[in-house]
Order: sequence, then C-alpha cells, then structure tokens
Amino acid sequence: DQQVKQNSPSLSVQEGRISILNCDYTNSMFDYFLWYKKYPAEGPTFLISISSIKDKNEDGRFTVFLNKSAKHLSLHIVPSQPGDSAVYFCAATGGGNKLTFGTGTQLKVEL
Amino acid sequence: NAGVTQTPKFRILKIGQSMTLQCAQDMNHNYMYWYRQDPGMGLKLIYYSVGAGITDKGEVPNGYNVSRSTTEDFPLRLELAAPSQTSVYFCASSRSGSSYNEQFFGPGTRLTVL
Repeated sequence: DQQVKQNSPSLSVQEGRISILNCDYTNSMFDYFLWYKKYPAEGPTFLISISSIKDKNEDGRFTVFLNKSAKHLSLHIVPSQPGDSAVYFCAATGGGNKLTFGTGTQLKVEL
Repeated sequence: NAGVTQTPKFRILKIGQSMTLQCAQDMNHNYMYWYRQDPGMGLKLIYYSVGAGITDKGEVPNGYNVSRSTTEDFPLRLELAAPSQTSVYFCASSRSGSSYNEQFFGPGTRLTVL
C-alpha cells in the first residue's frame, strides 16, 4: 500500500520555465512533508519541507504547496535550471523520525 | 566534515553469502538509519537507531541485522544473501528524531546478489 504517491515518473521542462512536481498521500496522520533531491550515484539531499499547519513554504527558487483537504502537495521550481535535473522524492512523516517516501520523479531541464 | 560515508560502493554477492555494509557519520548525530531503494521505488526503512546500543526495526527488516556500538558507526549485516536483497542501500543520520531535523544521506552501496 503506497501511502505517498508520485504519479509522474518523469518530467521534462525547458530552462527558465516553471517545474511542478506533484505528490499525493493517503495517511491522514502525516503532518510534516519533505522534498529530497537525488543526483545519480549520490544519496538524497534535503531540499525543502512544510508542516501541516502551513499551506506554503518558500526557499529561493523552490516553493512547496500543501493542500490538506486534497492530501496533495506540490513542489514548484522557478526558474528551472539545468542543474535542477535530478530525481525528486516526496516524503512524509506522522511525527518523529520515520519517513515514508514516494517513488520519485525524474526531472530533466533542457536547454 | 565527511558527513555520512558508506563502504563499499559496489558489491556482488553469491546467494547464501554474508556481508556487512559499513556506515559512519562524523556529525555527532544520535539517530541513524538504513534504507533500501529498489528500481522505480521509493526508499524503504530497514532499521534505525536512536543512539549507541539502541536499535529498532523499520518497514522491511527481514534478512538484515544491525548493531550500534558507537555514536559514529551503524553497520548493516546480511547473513544469507538472497536475490531479493539486490538493491541500493542508503545510510542516513539526523541530530534527533524530530521531523524537523533533516536526515543526511550517504552516497549508497549498490548490492547485487546472484
């Protein structure tokens, strides 16, 4: 039972445009959500997070939006850059250290 | 700081062999974790530790063992390797168990069991 779903395995965007990565969850107990970025042959690195008491969190070019009623979150990258090409994982937790990860979305930013 | 280091980077095992995946962190983090990532799947938690001498099972612990004798090291042991254990293994650490403390990941160990 996949509690965190990323239904788009891949996404291709032109440099300078907006990238929107989506994530859905089913567990109502999740109250904190994170995005990790992963380059080939490296471990995931933390990108941005959001608590369930907020609906938006922004950090530079990266913004995460949370819609609790729809159990949906999205990561917006504006403007997209070639160095953003990576796999992006959505993760969620119901409090504490146990993260539940989605299957990832491969983002390719083209020149 | 080296962060989280893992050895080896790659390993091929025969069915039934055993091995230990090494993980070390130099950030004085209390919490350490082992994940596996299968192709096209997300990371799944195998075991975690909240401090030296304390470990607990994650989502997929069968076929693995761990120990935590020091703050720095958290080795993962495979006793009887099976093809289903072919995966990429990531070790991670965090300062505490709070959701707000990000987990830092190592570069991974790619294991193939034939």
